[in-house]
Amino acid sequence: TQLLEQSPQFLSIQEGENLTVYCNSSSVFSSLQWYRQEPGEGPVLLVTVVTGGEVKKLKRLTFQFGDARKDSSLHITAAQTGDTGLYLCAGPNYGGSQGNLIFGKGTKLSVKP
Amino acid sequence: DAGVTQSPTHLIKTRGQQVTLRCSPKSGHDTVSWYQQALGQGPQFIFQYYEEEERQRGNFPDRFSGHQFPNYSSELNVNALLLGDSALYLCASSLSDSSYEQYFGPGTRLTVT
Repeated sequence: TQLLEQSPQFLSIQEGENLTVYCNSSSVFSSLQWYRQEPGEGPVLLVTVVTGGEVKKLKRLTFQFGDARKDSSLHITAAQTGDTGLYLCAGPNYGGSQGNLIFGKGTKLSVKP
Repeated sequence: DAGVTQSPTHLIKTRGQQVTLRCSPKSGHDTVSWYQQALGQGPQFIFQYYEEEERQRGNFPDRFSGHQFPNYSSELNVNALLLGDSALYLCASSLSDSSYEQYFGPGTRLTVT
């Protein structure tokens, strides 16, 4: 069974600090995605990483896909209060259609002013 | 360009009742997936519809059924509601040939009492 484990589960930091959240699996994924979800809303896709070792930057957010394609990380530089939310990683299920995504439980980030 | 819309926003039902949730995909998308997100958990894949047929199904009982209409909109039906069915139900749309990138609606919050 493919599982995605995210850590930490909760993270509370002050504005301006840096942070890293992790997404790990014992299974190889062909790609991984990161979503951000705010209360009362659906997840919003931030990035898709496809190639092992790939690094993608989205303004202050840096995403990395592990060389073995079993893990990924999200680093936020100089966090802002607007970064508050639930960060989810997701990957395609083997044998599943393109819509069958497996999600981790998420990291709930709170950035305080 | 309208994104994914879902109705209703919130719903309260009693155990044993039946419920129907509705979803309109993002303009131009032809595939709809449904997910259940329990409190504190990541979304879990229920099923996916394409060309008015169920293309893939997750580990959910037959009490969960769906439908896709010719205009690509979709319904999720849950019969014989249980307390454990209380969750946020998310609809996601995509193109049939997309690389797992899905656009999520805001969800329907179902409470079963």
